[in-house]
Amino acid sequence: DIQMTQSPSSLSASVGDRVTITCRASQSINIYLNWYQQKPGKAPKLLIFAASSLQSGVPSRFSGSGSGTDFTLTLSSLQPEDFATYYCQQSYSTPYTFGQGTNLEIK
Amino acid sequence: EVQLVQSGAEVKKPGESLKISCKGSGYSFTSYWIGWVRQLPGKGLEWMGIIYPGDSHTRYRPSFQGQVTISVDKSISTAFLQWSSLRASDTAIYYCARQNGESLDYWGQGTLVTVSS
Repeated sequence: DIQMTQSPSSLSASVGDRVTITCRASQSINIYLNWYQQKPGKAPKLLIFAASSLQSGVPSRFSGSGSGTDFTLTLSSLQPEDFATYYCQQSYSTPYTFGQGTNLEIK
Repeated sequence: EVQLVQSGAEVKKPGESLKISCKGSGYSFTSYWIGWVRQLPGKGLEWMGIIYPGDSHTRYRPSFQGQVTISVDKSISTAFLQWSSLRASDTAIYYCARQNGESLDYWGQGTLVTVSS
């Protein structure tokens, strides 16, 4: 299985901050990397697919980059509704594994 | 509008069987893979497996192979996840999601399965 490692596991930030979350794959996955947001008690929501493509309806303050083994999710100016847990997922080969999650909290 | 609607919460005893469902609507159900994802209490997301409703081709995460069965009834646009003998460690929220290309773009609301004696 391909292992996905996110950092940090948790992060405190303020509204208006710029935040970056990283995800590293245990082997090259080209650009087969997705990012999801999950709020408490809710299903995950797709934000970014194919490493840098913004899902329809997702605000442009979210962006993704990277290829190979190293990827980043950037939130350019945090809004109150962005405080949630974020997961990366590789879709290069099954099983399509997730990272352990990054909990973004309000400072 | 694309929707995936899952069956309701279940409370079962260890050793009992269970089949939960995920009904798709608003799109061509047989043209997209459906995936299942587990979330243990307070934990992260685990990819369990996927099924292609068009031909019922299925792929499992090795750790779930033999522990669960993923199936589909395309006549009613519904995917299923079933257990023949539940364990307490199966207590979790289970999500289904549509795989569009290489990502899970629409998700069901989740089904909470509680296994307790």
